[in-house]
Amino acid sequence: KQEVTQIPAALSVPEGENLVLNCSFTDSAIYNLQWFRQDPGKGLTSLLLIQSSQREQTSGRLNASLDKSSGRSTLYIAASQPGDSATYLCAARSGNTGKLIFGQGTTLQVKP
Amino acid sequence: DGGITQSPKYLFRKEGQNVTLSCEQNLNHDAMYWYRQDPGQGLRLIYYSQIVNDFQKGDIAEGYSVSREKKESFPLTVTSAQKNPTAFYLCASSIGAGGTEAFFGQGTRLTVV
Repeated sequence: KQEVTQIPAALSVPEGENLVLNCSFTDSAIYNLQWFRQDPGKGLTSLLLIQSSQREQTSGRLNASLDKSSGRSTLYIAASQPGDSATYLCAARSGNTGKLIFGQGTTLQVKP
Repeated sequence: DGGITQSPKYLFRKEGQNVTLSCEQNLNHDAMYWYRQDPGQGLRLIYYSQIVNDFQKGDIAEGYSVSREKKESFPLTVTSAQKNPTAFYLCASSIGAGGTEAFFGQGTRLTVV
């Protein structure tokens, strides 16, 4: 059974710092891994999707990596801004149902 | 604009009442999903549908029902059998069920009064 864990649960950093959010999964037989952002009381916004055959994906100041053999993914945020404050969720997709298994998220606060 | 629309944004349910949450997508996606989000528990899958007129139970389907009569619509009914329905409900869709990107709506917050 796939389990996804995110560490840390919460993170507070000063503006401008580079930071790394961690996601680990127990079953390496994944189709892909997706990173989302969630603002309070809102839905999920897709940030990056990494297919199982890929090592990383980049979008602007965001870079996500995937290491299937170790069951890890990281989301790197460069030059953090107060607008980056949100909860970040990773989700692994296994099997052919499209079902996503979510971690519990990392709540990020970027202080001005 | 293409996307997923959930309505209503807030919903209040009395004890013993059935309520239906709406989810509509204009992305021409085949697969649609319902997740429930509770504080400290992450998202859990309730039901999913990979094609019109077909759907399967997820991990926490008890007390819920769905229909998929049209490609663009996947309503969720929270029945009186669901003993703890207060939660944030999120609808998602993807082109197919395999390695494709999932997109989410803005959610419906359901509260039992």
